Order: sequence, then C-alpha cells, then structure tokens
Amino acid sequence: DAKTTQPTSMDCAEGRAANLPCNHSTISGNEYVYWYRQIHSQGPQYIIHGLKNNETNEMASLIITEDRKSSTLILPHATLRDTAVYYCIVRVATYIEAQGGSEKLVFGKGTKLTVNP
Amino acid sequence: DAGITQSPRHKVTETGTPVTLRCHQTENHRYMYWYRQDPGHGLRLIHYSYGVKDTDKGEVSDGYSVSRSKTEDFLLTLESATSSQTSVYFCAISDIDRDPSGNTIYFGEGSWLTVV
Repeated sequence: DAKTTQPTSMDCAEGRAANLPCNHSTISGNEYVYWYRQIHSQGPQYIIHGLKNNETNEMASLIITEDRKSSTLILPHATLRDTAVYYCIVRVATYIEAQGGSEKLVFGKGTKLTVNP
Repeated sequence: DAGITQSPRHKVTETGTPVTLRCHQTENHRYMYWYRQDPGHGLRLIHYSYGVKDTDKGEVSDGYSVSRSKTEDFLLTLESATSSQTSVYFCAISDIDRDPSGNTIYFGEGSWLTVV
C-alpha cells in the first residue's frame, strides 16, 4: 500500500489560500489521491480526488505533480470553518475476480489546519 | 450527506458485555466499512463488506465481528467488550461499480463507545 506523508500542523490566515502538501512517492500508476477532512467530533468529509490531472470542485483544488509523487490541496479562500484535520489518502484497490472487487482506504495521521482570524 | 445513519450515537457499557453497532445506508452502495478512531492512531479499518454476506477483516479486527444480511445494514459486534475498545466508530460506504473514476468513500457521523 502506498503511504503518505503530511506535515503535522499548519496555520493559515482567514481569507488567504491554504496549501496543504502531501508526499506519496510510492504511489502506483492506477492509484488515486484522495483528500478528506475531519472537523472535531464529526465524520470524515470527502473533499476531492484525482489520478494525474489537476482537479477543481466547489470546495478545493488538487494539484498533482507530473511524476505523481506529491500533491497539494488548495483551499482558495480559507474560512474559520475550514479548521480541521486534513487527510491525504492513496486508494488501495485489490480485485478479486470471484467477488468482483474490494476496496480499502489507508488513513495516516493527517495535517491539523488552523485558520486564524 | 451520504445517507448513512449510525446507531447508537453514544453508548456506555460495562466490560464483558456484548455490544452491537448498526450502520444503515439509503444509497444502495455495495461496499460498507467499519473504522475506529483513536488519538495517535488516526482511522483504522476494522472490517469491511463487499456484498450481502461477504465480509473481510481489516487491520484491527481482533475482538470484533460483523454481519451483513441486507445491502443497507452492516452490523459491528463486540462479543465481550473491553476497555481497549473504547473508541469512536465510523461506518463508511462506497460503490466502485457506480464510480469507476475514483470510488469515493463516504462516512457516517460516528458512534461514541465507552467501555467501563
């Protein structure tokens, strides 16, 4: 399983862009990069995912390097409600023909993002 | 919200008693998962299911069993609860057959279990 490395914590000023890095140097060619976040006492919330191209949705942008060994999650205009732990995850997929397929995500420790007023 | 309901949301139980946590989904997703989350360990997979009556172990399955008799329900049972099983438990769902571009996993809001 590909492992990810993220900084333990980061700070960002409200209204500024928050750039959260993630290293996944052992990622395989068919593995996706996912980002989730977890606000205190809530379940993890899906943010965005990508394979090799940069992706953008209403919540964030995902920039994946050409060699796919690292990525950056960008929150363009951070708000106080974006304070959370952000997890960068590489999708692990094993396919068993008889059952069709099984799917697991391996979560690391994440980055604690604090958005300051 | 992904249509996932966990019950109970909070429970206090005594050591040695059986406990069952229920996860109910309304999305008709094929895959369901149980994770636990503890300080310093992040989220760890306990068991998962890839269909009705099809389940497999995760990385921390000892002391837990699961059952899935219907697509919408995935039960996690602690046969004899121990203090080390005090944790927050999250159910999750996904369906790779519907989302081959990425198979997003969606999480429930969690069940807080305290074993005293």
